[in-house]
Amino acid sequence: AQRVTQPEKLLSVFKGAPVELKCNYSYSGSPELFWYVQYSRQRLQLLLRHISRESIKGFTADLNKGETSFHLKKPFAQEEDSAMYYCALLHQGGKLIFGQGTELSVKP
Amino acid sequence: KAGVTQTPRYLIKTRGQQVTLSCSPISGHRSVSWYQQTPGQGLQFLFEYFSETQRNKGNFPGRFSGRQFSNSRSEMNVSTLELGDSALYLCASSLGQARTDTQYFGPGTRLTVL
Repeated sequence: AQRVTQPEKLLSVFKGAPVELKCNYSYSGSPELFWYVQYSRQRLQLLLRHISRESIKGFTADLNKGETSFHLKKPFAQEEDSAMYYCALLHQGGKLIFGQGTELSVKP
Repeated sequence: KAGVTQTPRYLIKTRGQQVTLSCSPISGHRSVSWYQQTPGQGLQFLFEYFSETQRNKGNFPGRFSGRQFSNSRSEMNVSTLELGDSALYLCASSLGQARTDTQYFGPGTRLTVL
């Protein structure tokens, strides 16, 4: 079955520390993966997608098919990075399967 | 361009009633998807409409239905409301031409069933 797992509900780091939000997936085909972010009192928005191989706001994510992972990383966390982060897998027909989300808290 | 809009933003209903939620996509977008967000189950896909046709459906009972109009606006209906239907309902729009088109989310409608 298709599934996305984010093992951490809450991740707390200090400003300037590296951050890694974990995402593992289960999918029988060739996966297309995304990270969405929701800042406080804002709507859910796309952060990045693996197919673009881009860096947004200093975040990167590498698809590791061997480990079925798509972890989100940033070398130096900023306070404004505090938000809910959702990993999502694109299933057939455009249906997104979301993980449970990880709340990132960056402390000053 | 204006973003995805959803109305109403908040709704309180009682068990057994029915409710209709509305979503207006970004101009030019032809696909509208609906998701239910709850603390326990997270974000779950309900259905997707493209050019007035349901193109995908999630694992929800038949009490949940939707439709799309010729201007791409979409409505979602829930009949015979249950307490467990209390949730944030999000809609997302995309161009709909490729399955990988970015989905842009609305602010959601918070439904409370008493």
